[in-house]
Amino acid sequence: KNEVEQSPQNLTAQEGEFITINCSYSVGISALHWLQQHPGGGIVSLFMLSSGKKKHGRLIATINIQEKHSSLHITASHPRDSAVYICAVRRPIGGGADGLTFGKGTHLIIQP
Amino acid sequence: KAGVTQTPRYLIKTRGQQVTLSCSPISGHRSVSWYQQTPGQGLQFLFEYFSETQRNKGNFPGRFSGRQFSNSRSEMNVSTLELGDSALYLCASSFSASSYNEQFFGPGTRLTVL
Repeated sequence: KNEVEQSPQNLTAQEGEFITINCSYSVGISALHWLQQHPGGGIVSLFMLSSGKKKHGRLIATINIQEKHSSLHITASHPRDSAVYICAVRRPIGGGADGLTFGKGTHLIIQP
Repeated sequence: KAGVTQTPRYLIKTRGQQVTLSCSPISGHRSVSWYQQTPGQGLQFLFEYFSETQRNKGNFPGRFSGRQFSNSRSEMNVSTLELGDSALYLCASSFSASSYNEQFFGPGTRLTVL
């Protein structure tokens, strides 16, 4: 079983819909990252969370540490939001943190 | 501020050769992490350097190595290349090695091993 599970794996929606992508993890973490990857490979960091909720424009990320679960929401989705969204966690080790452990990603397509 | 740069962007090698990839972090960033992305395994952590010291290493064979220079630039080396090493290699920089720092990714180097 992967330490980081994302759902759904694939999601196709119509422009304007509210999108939710879920991430569950099975290990203790110090931080959780949401990343966006467009075709061609470039990765952009969207959020880094250790607790609570963050909002940036139409994107909202939440995390529930007790339930080991995070969600990424996109409001008023647009075709330019089409990308792969990846959840990644960092585990505390010793006095620092381990490298990122990644989910398999959610491939999102927003149709006009 | 310039972003993370990686060179070369594309590389074709044959089995048994070795390869060196380079990563220049954002100015002022002292931590560099390397990742491998393949269609089958997804993104996997290779190693992390901070202040010229390797802090963490992922589960990769010893053929994969790296180093960081005093100007925070980093290189990774893969020796005795195998077909399975074909992948997108990404580096990311952050201000420090703290968990709570955002990582900024470079565009990647796409390595093809024939």
